[in-house]
Amino acid sequence: DAEITQSPRHKITETGRQVTLACHQTWNHNNMFWYRQDLGHGLRLIHYSYGVQDTNKGEVSDGYSVSRSNTEDLPLTLESAASSQTSVYFCASSERANTGELFFGEGSRLTVL
Amino acid sequence: QKEVEQNSGPLSVPEGAIASLNCTYSDRGSQSFFWYRQYSGKSPELIMSIYSNGDKEDGRFTAQLNKASQYVSLLIRDSQPSDSATYLCAVNVEGGGADGLTFGKGTHLIIQP
Repeated sequence: DAEITQSPRHKITETGRQVTLACHQTWNHNNMFWYRQDLGHGLRLIHYSYGVQDTNKGEVSDGYSVSRSNTEDLPLTLESAASSQTSVYFCASSERANTGELFFGEGSRLTVL
Repeated sequence: QKEVEQNSGPLSVPEGAIASLNCTYSDRGSQSFFWYRQYSGKSPELIMSIYSNGDKEDGRFTAQLNKASQYVSLLIRDSQPSDSATYLCAVNVEGGGADGLTFGKGTHLIIQP
């Protein structure tokens, strides 16, 4: 079955370190997204991509970057982790660009000490 | 600023009863509406999408949309303990990509056996 997987599922890091969260999907979807979910804020869009070599900033992109070198992967990098980036991160993909019908990965819980 | 409002709950409903979840939105240009279910510690899962005024039924779930009043609701008939979860409402403009999707903070539903 096609799926979307994230790794690591849990990570603890220190302030100032670079962290990369991986997202891999086997649906061959062009559209991929990264969200963070925090109590009191709901899901907020960090970055998104509508195809290879396409990346765009979302609502809360400061301190994050993504790259899209193939259809399957959209890694999320925190260049210098901050305590404010402690959160649960979800990767998602969609079959069509003009839809809100998303398939989410299992999530990555990141703690920045 | 687009806003999607949901009562955070918890909303407690006895098993077998109808659970009614409500969502209001601020952007009159919104045209597509989604309900996601999120079990504790898990990722969101799309359960309903609705694009036209009126009701849309899928099994025990019914989504209701009233664009004039800017609300969308989700009814769960014959509620089961397995329906206990947080339900996220998401709203988008017509033809909009998921980058324009706005999520509510979710309603925590508890089905009491």
